[in-house]
Amino acid sequence: DQQVKQNSPSLSVQEGRISILNCDYTNSMFDYFLWYKKYPAEGPTFLISISSIKDKNEDGRFTVFLNKSAKHLSLHIVPSQPGDSAVYFCAARYNFGNEKLTFGTGTRLTIIP
Amino acid sequence: DVKVTQSSRYLVKRTGEKVFLECVQDMDHENMFWYRQDPGLGLRLIYFSYDVKMKEKGDIPEGYSVSREKKERFSLILESASTNQTSMYLCASSLGRGRGESQETQYFGPGTRLLVL
Repeated sequence: DQQVKQNSPSLSVQEGRISILNCDYTNSMFDYFLWYKKYPAEGPTFLISISSIKDKNEDGRFTVFLNKSAKHLSLHIVPSQPGDSAVYFCAARYNFGNEKLTFGTGTRLTIIP
Repeated sequence: DVKVTQSSRYLVKRTGEKVFLECVQDMDHENMFWYRQDPGLGLRLIYFSYDVKMKEKGDIPEGYSVSREKKERFSLILESASTNQTSMYLCASSLGRGRGESQETQYFGPGTRLLVL
């Protein structure tokens, strides 16, 4: 049972435009969410996170939005740059107990120059 | 900078062989994790450890075991490798809740691509 879903396996966006990556979750006990970025032949690197007490978190070109009622989060990248081409994973965690992360299946973002 | 290293980038093994994947972190992190990444399935947690000699099963522990004899090192063991264990294996570490950090992230190594023939 996939508790964290990324329904778009791939996304292509023109350089300079906005990239929007989406993530849905089913477990209402999740209350901390993260986005990771992964280049080929490298491990994932942390990008941005959001706690369930917020609905938005911003860091430079990256903004994450959380809609708890819809169990949906999205990552906005603006403006998109060629170096943003990578696979993006969203992940979710309980804020109690252990620190296990549940990952989505990933979205491959391609920025077209 | 946190450094997580994995012993091999690429590994080819035969069915039935015992395989050891090693992971070392240099930041005195308490928590360590082993994942596998497969196309269309994302990252799935195999095992994790909160402390030396402690381990907990993740979502897909069957066919694997782990060892954590020292804080900085976390080993993944495939007791008898099978072709369905061909995958990318990723190790990660994080600081640990006991230090008052409740929201810190996991830091990943570069991965080991394992092919079982």
